[in-house]
Amino acid sequence: QKEVEQDPGPLSVPEGAIVSLNCTYSNSAFQYFMWYRQYSRKGPELLMYTYSSGNKEDGRFTAQVDKSSKYISLFIRDSQPSDSATYLCAMTTDSWGKLQFGAGTQVVVTP
Amino acid sequence: DAGITQSPRYKITETGRQVTLMCHQTWSHSYMFWYRQDLGHGLRLIYYSAAADITDKGEVPDGYVVSRSKTENFPLTLESATRSQTSVYFCASSESKTGEAFFGQGTRLTVV
Repeated sequence: QKEVEQDPGPLSVPEGAIVSLNCTYSNSAFQYFMWYRQYSRKGPELLMYTYSSGNKEDGRFTAQVDKSSKYISLFIRDSQPSDSATYLCAMTTDSWGKLQFGAGTQVVVTP
Repeated sequence: DAGITQSPRYKITETGRQVTLMCHQTWSHSYMFWYRQDLGHGLRLIYYSAAADITDKGEVPDGYVVSRSKTENFPLTLESATRSQTSVYFCASSESKTGEAFFGQGTRLTVV
């Protein structure tokens, strides 16, 4: 069983809809949680960073962490075609910053 | 330009050859990482480094060697390339050990 589980999708939504993405994990030592966005043939780009449980909002993006359930989420409001990408969850303990990634969810926002 | 740069962007090599992938960052970040990305596996850590001359193995280190003589450079060498090492390789760097890593554009390696 993988330490971090993420549905690979694809997830197709119409423009303007809310995109909901999530990951589950098994290692209770994870403390730092991230979401990366990756466009085709590009490197992952850090989107959201959260420490421990709670919510964080940045513009149209909201990240949630529920450590008691070992569950993290990313919401994208008012989705745009430019949001079409693969979204990767990642997490780490404080051990050298080694990231454990989910498989990534491909999101397609149709005009 | 500031940031993290990988070279080459694309590489085709033959089985058994030695290949070195380069990574250079301009931020003076202490932590550097090499990941490979494969369909069905996501990103997996190959090697990481906490500072110059401090490196350690990640999840999939077999067949790879790294060095870090200078803070800004972290080359990855495939000692004798195999077809299973066909992948996209990403270098990343981080200022801290809490995970805010910044990635390069990747090197797409094909071993024939």
